[in-house]
Amino acid sequence: EAGVAQSPRYKIIEKRQSVAFWCNPISGHATLYWYQQILGQGPKLLIQFQNNGVVDDSQLPKDRFSAERLKGVDSTLKIQPAKLEDSAVYLCASSFVTSEAFFGQGTRLTVV
Amino acid sequence: GNSVTQMEGPVTLSEEAFLTINCTYTATGYPSLFWYVQYPGEGLQLLLKATKADDKGSNKGFEATYRKETTSFHLEKGSVQVSDSAVYFCALILFNNAGNMLTFGGGTRLMVKP
Repeated sequence: EAGVAQSPRYKIIEKRQSVAFWCNPISGHATLYWYQQILGQGPKLLIQFQNNGVVDDSQLPKDRFSAERLKGVDSTLKIQPAKLEDSAVYLCASSFVTSEAFFGQGTRLTVV
Repeated sequence: GNSVTQMEGPVTLSEEAFLTINCTYTATGYPSLFWYVQYPGEGLQLLLKATKADDKGSNKGFEATYRKETTSFHLEKGSVQVSDSAVYFCALILFNNAGNMLTFGGGTRLMVKP
């Protein structure tokens, strides 16, 4: 079974630029999560989808971050404009409604 | 709200030493509990899980028992190897109609020396 796919693996941008990350969850998984993991810290939930609806985006900085999950499958996370403090690993995960979450390898973002 | 608390690291051990990483939780309901492991430069991998009280999850020599009375899920391994060096995250998930609620602890870095 294919795992959660994320791209790109690495991205370096200048502050105030925009960037987008893509995630393809495991087939059939209704729940999709985006996490931000700053170096040395645990993952922080940014947004959670159930199919194509948003379940929780309470910690998403909506003035600069946006996410969508078209047709309840793939998802994109966008940052515009980026700040230095957005440097982190962005993790995507997916799960069945009543199962553990499976993670992709993440996208390491460096904002300079 | 829900929360997970782990012992702070780093934990430094010699090869073949006994490992314990403490994890306690608070939750409004009956969560499932997990340990994830993160090797350098990689995403999180599920290490083991337990879905109800007194269940023991085990994998690769690691084990943890779901203790409802002490709200704990401590990770143990009898003899660690250098290859076990990684960051370990304790997590809980609550399933409800509004969507799963997945909460992580802050992680504990394990360093095993030869």
